[in-house]
Amino acid sequence: AQRVTQPEKLLSVFKGAPVELKCNYSYSGSPELFWYVQYSRQRLQLLLRHISRESIKGFTADLNKGETSFHLKKPFAQEEDSAMYYCALSGGSNYKLTFGKGTLLTVNP
Amino acid sequence: DTGVSQDPRHKITKRGQNVTFRCDPISEHNRLYWYRQTLGQGPEFLTYFQNEAQLEKSRLLSDRFSAERPKGSFSTLEIQRTEQGDSAMYLCASSLGLAVDEQFFGPGTRLTVL
Repeated sequence: AQRVTQPEKLLSVFKGAPVELKCNYSYSGSPELFWYVQYSRQRLQLLLRHISRESIKGFTADLNKGETSFHLKKPFAQEEDSAMYYCALSGGSNYKLTFGKGTLLTVNP
Repeated sequence: DTGVSQDPRHKITKRGQNVTFRCDPISEHNRLYWYRQTLGQGPEFLTYFQNEAQLEKSRLLSDRFSAERPKGSFSTLEIQRTEQGDSAMYLCASSLGLAVDEQFFGPGTRLTVL
């Protein structure tokens, strides 16, 4: 079974502070991990995926297979980062995404 | 073509009525997915098409739910005899079909069953 856990429902930081959104997963095979973001009144969109190893909008995420984690990090949060963030996993042959419950990030001025 | 589109954006219906939603994927995207999202939850997988073939259905998809993708283009999701528990946001996503590729999401259809 595939499972994604995001332990924080809400996360509030000040502008310029570092931010880390936690994600842990459970999957018996070799998963593909993603972070999706939903800004206010916009559709869900891909932020980054672990195989690309890119930094998008200053965010990075490293897959730690030993700890089964894929935490999202940014050294200096900006107000425009305020959004709902979902960690997602894809495994198996159907390519479906299994999402966590999401973390609402608020960056205060 | 600017992205995945869904119609209608909002639907209010009475318990027991049938509803149908439409999803138009990005052109040339072979895969199409339906997800359901309730308050405080992430999207949950419902079903998946590769071209016109429906390859998997979640256990969440009861017999009252049916999805089609004729000719491998747009897709419809029908819910028969709606129940209050069907109230949710129904999301459609599409992808090119190259291994595990990016899924592009539509704006969703919000269903309210009274």
